[in-house]
Amino acid sequence: DTGVSQDPRHKITKRGQNVTFRCDPISEHNRLYWYRQTLGQGPEFLTYFQNEAQLEKSRLLSDRFSAERPKGSFSTLEIQRTEQGDSAMYLCASSSPGGMDTGELFFGEGSRLTVL
Amino acid sequence: GENVEQHPSTLSVQEGDSAVIKCTYSDSASNYFPWYKQELGKRPQLIIDIRSNVGEKKDQRIAVTLNKTAKHFSLHITETQPEDSAVYFCAARYGGSQGNLIFGKGTKLSVKP
Repeated sequence: DTGVSQDPRHKITKRGQNVTFRCDPISEHNRLYWYRQTLGQGPEFLTYFQNEAQLEKSRLLSDRFSAERPKGSFSTLEIQRTEQGDSAMYLCASSSPGGMDTGELFFGEGSRLTVL
Repeated sequence: GENVEQHPSTLSVQEGDSAVIKCTYSDSASNYFPWYKQELGKRPQLIIDIRSNVGEKKDQRIAVTLNKTAKHFSLHITETQPEDSAVYFCAARYGGSQGNLIFGKGTKLSVKP
């Protein structure tokens, strides 16, 4: 296993189009997180899964955003009717509780979205 | 709501000097405080973390201190090297052991040779 992988790495779309990103976590990790990062800012929490259950979703997250993790493995993040303000790097991370429950997040390389 | 404040936003030091980055958090129930390093164009990677039952942790040139009463924690890098140049993010876990991480806005550290 080479770590968390995300696809596509780059996406350019026109305003109003829908986009979908995929994340494959480290295989034994049961927790999966989506974050958004804009230039000069820290990762902003979007949503979080434990296995297939979506446990938390940011209050700031628009209804245009939806995420799934149907079988508790890979996850998809869909953005409908994209807006220019959605342009950002979308980071996926996974973690495993472990004995000490530190929950270290292992990040993917991210999917960079540009909305024209 | 949950919030993590990080200072300074930029920090420039001479090689060999120490660097200190400070963060404050708002939720007294937070129990886990990691620090991530992000090099340009790369993914964030964990460099050190601390749990709420300890006050200090060291790993070679890196140390983190935690003051639960004041709700702040700090990253200390000694004998800085040019390869330490990166953006550093602090984070705090909210919502107990099942909660998510909230990140600070980052500190861009530049180490001048």
